[in-house]
Amino acid sequence: QQQVKQSPQSLIVQKGGISIINCAYENTAFDYFPWYQQFPGKGPALLIAIRPDVSEKKEGRFTISFNKSAKQFSLHIMDSQPGDSATYFCAALVRGNTPLVFGKGTRLSVIA
Amino acid sequence: DAGVIQSPRHEVTEMGQEVTLRCKPISGHDYLFWYRQTMMRGLELLIYFNNNVPIDDSGMPEDRFSAKMPNASFSTLKIQPSEPRDSAVYFCASRTQGAGAFFGQGTRLTVV
Repeated sequence: QQQVKQSPQSLIVQKGGISIINCAYENTAFDYFPWYQQFPGKGPALLIAIRPDVSEKKEGRFTISFNKSAKQFSLHIMDSQPGDSATYFCAALVRGNTPLVFGKGTRLSVIA
Repeated sequence: DAGVIQSPRHEVTEMGQEVTLRCKPISGHDYLFWYRQTMMRGLELLIYFNNNVPIDDSGMPEDRFSAKMPNASFSTLKIQPSEPRDSAVYFCASRTQGAGAFFGQGTRLTVV
């Protein structure tokens, strides 16, 4: 199965700081890149997504930066809050009938 | 829409017993996915359907696992006989073509 590599595995950020999670992919046919947020005991929830025709997408405090030439994309959480503490998964999809390919996840802890 | 609905939320069963997990996808979604999540292996795709037809079941770990989708609004994942190593959280997700998947709350399965 095609791979999406996610780092770091875990991240601790001070309240008000910027959380940055990175993902890299190999398959240039991927054309949809979502991020999921998962709280304990809950299913992953679609947070924000980007297509490769733009380099950045922002929704509130969450921003995806996309570098097509480097085959990398990242999630930035500005003004991180304790309520953002969760596991974050990046994913990728080839438009059409393929399933999402997920990264291994990053456990984010935002401490006061 | 109520989102993807899974039942039961928790299941505890004895080794050797049959377990059936249920999923109702979001209306209008033509793709349905079954995932398994463990600490060690992360999110694993087990099988997915398109328009009620199984497309790829290569992720199903053994013949003890089977999945059906008799209609657009219902799917089951069955394990028979269950084993302790099947203990995990099982997620159902649905989506339309080219979009991100929406996950249910999951079924936490414990096989003792």
